[in-house]
Amino acid sequence: GENVEQHPSTLSVQEGDSAVIKCTYSDSASNYFPWYKQELGKGPQLIIDIRSNVGEKKDQRIAVTLNKTAKHFSLHITETQPEDSAVYFCAAILTGGGNKLTFGTGTQLKVEL
Amino acid sequence: GAGVSQTPSNKVTEKGKYVELRCDPISGHTALYWYRQSLGQGPEFLIYFQGTGAADDSGLPNDRFFAVRPEGSVSTLKIQRTERGDSAVYLCASSPLGRNSGANVLTFGAGSRLTVL
Repeated sequence: GENVEQHPSTLSVQEGDSAVIKCTYSDSASNYFPWYKQELGKGPQLIIDIRSNVGEKKDQRIAVTLNKTAKHFSLHITETQPEDSAVYFCAAILTGGGNKLTFGTGTQLKVEL
Repeated sequence: GAGVSQTPSNKVTEKGKYVELRCDPISGHTALYWYRQSLGQGPEFLIYFQGTGAADDSGLPNDRFFAVRPEGSVSTLKIQRTERGDSAVYLCASSPLGRNSGANVLTFGAGSRLTVL
């Protein structure tokens, strides 16, 4: 089955700096890679996703890049703000072959003033 | 409703007891998922429903766990003879697309935190 590894487990940045979270996946057939943000006491919320036919996707301060050859994808947050502080999870799935999202272990992001 | 609703938000029970956790998906969403999240970990897949049927239950850890979705909307996750290791947050998610459609965007509920003493 799919295995997703995520790094770092914790990340502390100063407000206004950029944050980068990296994930690798094992199943080369996986073709959809969402990123979720989870705040304390809440469920994960989708913030951005990318499909395997695209190398990069951007939405305001958030961007995701995908390297299919190396089987890794990254989340980039620019101009970080205190409200970006949360746990971020990457995930991978082969769509159409079931709907079993495999999640990474999460990154605790702390944006310091 | 506007989002995925899960009840109870917190459940404390004793080892050996039976518990039920309920999920109300977004109205009209055909797919429903249960995940389990242990402290400091990512969500782990338990079971997926497409309509009323369990399309994939490969993530259920053992036969003490069972889930139903009799009318294709609300789902109940049932855990028999609870063990301390069952303590976790149980997350429900729903999505509007069918199994063989394109990428499914999952909307998660806030979860039910189960503590087995």
